[in-house]
Amino acid sequence: DAKTTQPPSMDCAEGRAANLPCNHSTISGNEYVYWYRQIHSQGPQYIIHGLKNNETNEMASLIITEDRKSSTLILPHATLRDTAVYYCIVRPSGSARQLTFGSGTQLTVLP
Amino acid sequence: GAGVSQSPRYKVAKRGQDVALRCDPISGHVSLFWYQQALGQGPEFLTYFQNEAQLDKSGLPSDRFFAERPEGSVSTLKIQRTQQEDSAVYLCASSLIGGGRSSGANVLTFGAGSRLTVL
Repeated sequence: DAKTTQPPSMDCAEGRAANLPCNHSTISGNEYVYWYRQIHSQGPQYIIHGLKNNETNEMASLIITEDRKSSTLILPHATLRDTAVYYCIVRPSGSARQLTFGSGTQLTVLP
Repeated sequence: GAGVSQSPRYKVAKRGQDVALRCDPISGHVSLFWYQQALGQGPEFLTYFQNEAQLDKSGLPSDRFFAERPEGSVSTLKIQRTQQEDSAVYLCASSLIGGGRSSGANVLTFGAGSRLTVL
């Protein structure tokens, strides 16, 4: 699976949008971009995934660049409960294989 | 059930003891995964089941680690002769199908984990 690169930490003010970047320059054509997050003392939680089109759900939006070499996860109105480690993962379509986690980005939402 | 359930949530073992960690996946989920997460690190893959078949155990760190899923639902991760370096959170995840078809069905749902401390 393609490797991803994320900043180790970010801060965001409560109520503002949190934009979390991810680089995946070696992504191949059949690999999806997945985002998970892990709140302290909990298991990772699925947020969103996409292939090449932008995606939005009740939790977040995912913006994937046209060349697919990078993406941004957007939390439109961050709350204190969004403080967590956010993982960006690429994975082949239809794969039942395991997710490969990197170090992720520690997002801290400040009051 | 509504989610992936793991037990015990916390386990303290003396070095050399055997431990067993249980995972109840979401009912009907075909795939089941075990991960190990050391403090401050991302989860590391241990092993993967599709129904009762263990299709990948490449992440198991030693032959002291053994996992089973005999009836294709509940799974147990067993660690024999525990060592201090085995101290970690052990995460279980399940997904609906075992490959192919829609990528959405391959979303993994994780349990809260079992925190093992070896003294």
